[in-house]
Amino acid sequence: DAKTTQPTSMDCAEGRAANLPCNHSTISGNEYVYWYRQIHSQGPQYIIHGLKNNETNEMASLIITEDRKSSTLILPHATLRDTAVYYCIVRVQTGANNLFFGTGTRLTVIP
Amino acid sequence: NAGVTQTPKFQVLKTGQSMTLQCAQDMNHNSMYWYRQDPGMGLRLIYYSASEGTTDKGEVPNGYNVSRLNKREFSLRLESAAPSQTSVYFCASIDRGRVPSGYTFGSGTRLTVV
Repeated sequence: DAKTTQPTSMDCAEGRAANLPCNHSTISGNEYVYWYRQIHSQGPQYIIHGLKNNETNEMASLIITEDRKSSTLILPHATLRDTAVYYCIVRVQTGANNLFFGTGTRLTVIP
Repeated sequence: NAGVTQTPKFQVLKTGQSMTLQCAQDMNHNSMYWYRQDPGMGLRLIYYSASEGTTDKGEVPNGYNVSRLNKREFSLRLESAAPSQTSVYFCASIDRGRVPSGYTFGSGTRLTVV
């Protein structure tokens, strides 16, 4: 699975959009981009995933560049409860391989 | 509520003691995983089970054994606990037969070995 690069930490004002970047320049054609978050030592929570098209669900939006070498997770209206570590992961869907989490981005939402 | 249930939530062991961490999922997922997370670090895979009846080593399997008891349950055993195994342990599951989806994680077992 391709490795990812994320900023160590970010701050965001409450109510504003939080944009979390991720670089995955070695991504392969069959690898998906997944985002998870972990709130205060709880189990990681799945947020969203995509292959090449932009995706949106009730939690967030995922924007993947045309060359697929980077992506951005967007939390449209950040709340204090969104303070967490966010992990960007790229992996193939098939097979029993695991998720490589790395150290993620620590997002702090400021009142 | 559907999800992944881990027991116990907390455990303190003495060096050399053994214990089994239990994990059960009620989502009919075919693949299950055990991860550990040390302070300030990401998750590392210990063992996984792609399907009922199969298990494979992950990144850090030494000192652990696993059993895929049935489709629902996947247990992790520490035969002789060591202080280096102090960590938070997470179990996860995913259904590989469907369209791409995310893993579901349990809430974790916080283990301290003294």
